[in-house]
Amino acid sequence: GAGVSQSPSNKVTEKGKDVELRCDPISGHTALYWYRQSLGQGLEFLIYFQGNSAPDKSGLPSDRFSAERTGGSVSTLTIQRTQQEDSAVYLCASSLLGDGEQYFGPGTRLTVT
Amino acid sequence: GDSVTQMEGPVTLSEEAFLTINCTYTATGYPSLFWYVQYPGEGLQLLLKATKADDKGSNKGFEATYRKETTSFHLEKGSVQVSDSAVYFCALRSPSGNTPLVFGKGTRLSVIA
Repeated sequence: GAGVSQSPSNKVTEKGKDVELRCDPISGHTALYWYRQSLGQGLEFLIYFQGNSAPDKSGLPSDRFSAERTGGSVSTLTIQRTQQEDSAVYLCASSLLGDGEQYFGPGTRLTVT
Repeated sequence: GDSVTQMEGPVTLSEEAFLTINCTYTATGYPSLFWYVQYPGEGLQLLLKATKADDKGSNKGFEATYRKETTSFHLEKGSVQVSDSAVYFCALRSPSGNTPLVFGKGTRLSVIA
């Protein structure tokens, strides 16, 4: 079946612009996670959804970052007023249950110029 | 908080050499432990896992044993192939359910023929 998909695969934006990153989880997966992979920083957790609610937003680095999930499916990560330090690969993962195996998407590479 | 430390890369080996990538962790309780692999141009994939002390995870010739006494989960393979060239991430997940993965910074492995 289809895996986790993310769009766009690459995004180049100017500093100060807003960007939206999309994640389509595996159908039926109730849990959805966003991570960020920065050069030299490894993978860091951003936010977790169970259904449409986000019980854990502890990883969002600033109030410029927000995310929502609708219909228990698609999620959008929004970064407002992008900064150069936001440049990274943003990964989405989904799992059948909150503590199940996480399946990762291919990521969105964001470059802020 | 929970953390994972893995050996710095890059690691370069000749084909059929023995591989060890060290991973140690800090966590309360008994976390689940994972190794993920990211092949060039592909998304993150689960390689193996162990959920309790002394468990051995294995897959594709790779093995790792959950050592509670040394808080370690070292990845080993007896004979690497060129196709094993990838970035390997050690990760843990708290036993308190519905929690994100905590990753190490990754180790890049290059295997040369």
